[in-house]
Amino acid sequence: GIQVEQSPPDLILQEGANSTLRCNFSDSVNNLQWFHQNPWGQLINLFYIPSGTKQNGRLSATTVATERYSLLYISSSQTTDSGVYFCAVHFLLGTSYGKLTFGQGTILTVHP
Amino acid sequence: NAGVTQTPKFQVLKTGQSMTLQCAQDMNHEYMSWYRQDPGMGLRLIHYSVGAGITDQGEVPNGYNVSRSTTEDFPLRLLSAAPSQTSVYFCASSKGSGQGGQPQHFGDGTRLSIL
Repeated sequence: GIQVEQSPPDLILQEGANSTLRCNFSDSVNNLQWFHQNPWGQLINLFYIPSGTKQNGRLSATTVATERYSLLYISSSQTTDSGVYFCAVHFLLGTSYGKLTFGQGTILTVHP
Repeated sequence: NAGVTQTPKFQVLKTGQSMTLQCAQDMNHEYMSWYRQDPGMGLRLIHYSVGAGITDQGEVPNGYNVSRSTTEDFPLRLLSAAPSQTSVYFCASSKGSGQGGQPQHFGDGTRLSIL
C-alpha cells in the first residue's frame, strides 16, 4: 500500500554533531515537505522539496524522486533542533486531493 | 501575514458537548484541510475543501462536520464530543493548483481533551 517510512525512529546527538534523516516513499509524489514539530507542538515547515536539493542555513534537503527517497541534513546541531521531524508527501495517484501522508517521524534529541 | 490561525489553542470538553474549532487563513488559498494527530497514529486527514462551498471527507470524518462559506474560513464542528476525539487538531491551507501538490501551511494546532 501507500507508505511513507522514516529512519531512524530516534536519534540522540551532542551539540555540534551532524545528522542525516531519511524518508522513503512507496509511489510517485508531487509534493514532499519536511516539518519540525517543536516541543510546543507547532509544525514548522522546513522544506517543500518534491525533487532536487535545497539549503536553508544549517539545514539542507535532497529528494531523488526517481528512487523514491528524501534526505534531511542537519549540520552543527543545536539544542533548539530537538523535536520530531516529519516527512509528508502527496501521492500523485490513489489519494484524496491535497492529502498529505505523514511518516511516523524521527525523534531528535540534542544534548548540550 | 498571519498565515493560518487556529482558535482556541486549548479546550476541555465534557462528553456530549458540542464545539467549533476555528481556522482562518489570509493567503487567499483555495485548499484547506483538517488533520488530527494522535500518538502512534501520526496525522490523519479529517475533512478538506477545494474552495468556498465545496467540502469532502478525508480518512477519519466520523463525528465531525465542516462547511466553507468563505475562502478564508474553514471551521470544524464536533456535534457530540466523545473521549475518542481527544487529540491535537491541525488546520492547513495551500493554493489549489498543481494536482494537489502545492506546499501546505499549518496552523499551531488546537489541543482538545474530552472528559
